[in-house]
Amino acid sequence: SQQGEEDPQALSIQEGENATMNCSYKTSINNLQWYRQNSGRGLVHLILIRSNEREKHSGRLRVTLDTSKKSSSLLITASRAADTASYFCATALTGGGNKLTFGTGTQLKVEL
Amino acid sequence: GAVVSQHPSRVICKSGTSVKIECRSLDFQATTMFWYRQFPKQSLMLMATSNEGSKATYEQGVEKDKFLINHASLTLSTLTVTSAHPEDSSFYICSALPGTSSRGTQYFGPGTRLLVL
Repeated sequence: SQQGEEDPQALSIQEGENATMNCSYKTSINNLQWYRQNSGRGLVHLILIRSNEREKHSGRLRVTLDTSKKSSSLLITASRAADTASYFCATALTGGGNKLTFGTGTQLKVEL
Repeated sequence: GAVVSQHPSRVICKSGTSVKIECRSLDFQATTMFWYRQFPKQSLMLMATSNEGSKATYEQGVEKDKFLINHASLTLSTLTVTSAHPEDSSFYICSALPGTSSRGTQYFGPGTRLLVL
C-alpha cells in the first residue's frame, strides 16, 4: 500500500458542517503537509506540521499529528461550498530531503 | 505569495512527437524543482527531482531518456516528453522549492494537461 493513505476517499457534507479527513503513513517523517486541489488545477499548500508538533491551526483548518500512530487529521470547520475540492496529505520522509510522497486523497463535496 | 507558472496549460499532440513543458518560479529562485504526474482521480506521483546545474534524479520506474529534464536556471525547469504515446496522456505538475526555504514548503504550478492522440 502507499506511504500515505487517506480516508475517507470521498466525503459529502452540508454547508456549515465540519469535515474531517485522515491520513496514515508508514515510515518516519520530517513533516507532513496538507494540500488542496480543485478539479483539474494545481495544488494549494494549506498547512505544514513538523514531526515534533502535535497540532496546528490556520483559520478554519486544524491539523493534528500523532507520530506514534503515524497518522494525521485535517479538520475543516464550518465548511463552505467553496471548500469543495480534493485534499491530499504529503509526507516529507526522514532522510528524504524535501521530496514529498502524496496520499491517495479525499474528495470533499460541500453541498448548499 | 510565491508563484509558479507552467506553460502550456494544455497540449494535444500526435503519437511519436515530443512535447516540452516549462515550469517557472516567477518571484523567487528555486534550486530544486519537482515534476509530478497525476492520472485522473489519482494522487500525484513524483517523477523526478530537478536540480539547477546538475542532472535530475529520477524516481524508480521513470525512464530518464523518455522524460528529459533540464534545469538551466534558478527560475526555469523544463520537462520534455519524447516520442509521446497515448499512455503518456496525463496531468503534469511541477513544484518549486524556494532557495531560502528552510521549511520545505513547495509551491505548485497550475499543471499541464497532455493528451497524446
